Amino acid sequence: DAGVTQSPTHLIKTRGQQVTLRCSPKSGHDTVSWYQQALGQGPQFIFQYYEEEERQRGNFPDRFSGHQFPNYSSELNVNALLLGDSALYLCASSRGAGQGQDTQYFGPGTRLTVL
Amino acid sequence: AQKITQTQPGMFVQEKEAVTLDCTYDTSDQSYGLFWYKQPSSGEMIFLIYQGSYDEQNATEGRYSLNFQKARKSANLVISASQLGDSAMYFCAMREDYTGNQFYFGTGTSLTVIP
Repeated sequence: DAGVTQSPTHLIKTRGQQVTLRCSPKSGHDTVSWYQQALGQGPQFIFQYYEEEERQRGNFPDRFSGHQFPNYSSELNVNALLLGDSALYLCASSRGAGQGQDTQYFGPGTRLTVL
Repeated sequence: AQKITQTQPGMFVQEKEAVTLDCTYDTSDQSYGLFWYKQPSSGEMIFLIYQGSYDEQNATEGRYSLNFQKARKSANLVISASQLGDSAMYFCAMREDYTGNQFYFGTGTSLTVIP
């Protein structure tokens, strides 16, 4: 049973560039959530996708956008990168987003460094 | 106000001893879930244990148990018979069932198991 996978593992970008991170959910899961984890902090919720729609969003600017595909995989896009966007980006998958929600299972993360 | 508070930035425990990691939460929802995750230095968040707000029994999963005290709004993780591989960051998280599907995380506790 494949778990949550993310790509790439590491990424180095410069300020002002754009980045796309990818996530494939655990088998049987249809909901994908994205989190940003700065060094020494707990994960902060960015947004959640279910049925190819953004269902909920945390306190992140519009520079952060996403997409979910029919096969439930998801992308996180960040435009106009800032130094403060350097973090570990975690993808989590679960079942359902409308009527109760199971445990979220996390991928290994993508470590983004902005220079 | 913080949704999840973890007041122990770092903890040390002797191998084979038990350790308790503290977590308090803040919610006005009647239905919610509480979770503990382990994050090794590799970065992946590993799900350990879940407690629902209506569960009357404390959750247990192998060497992990959750000491759930609803009136005090605490959900402490107890690890019995600590092993060297338990050294990691531990995060407490909460999901509010009626006000959204995002997970709120605490700032984590770094556990070091001493041989």
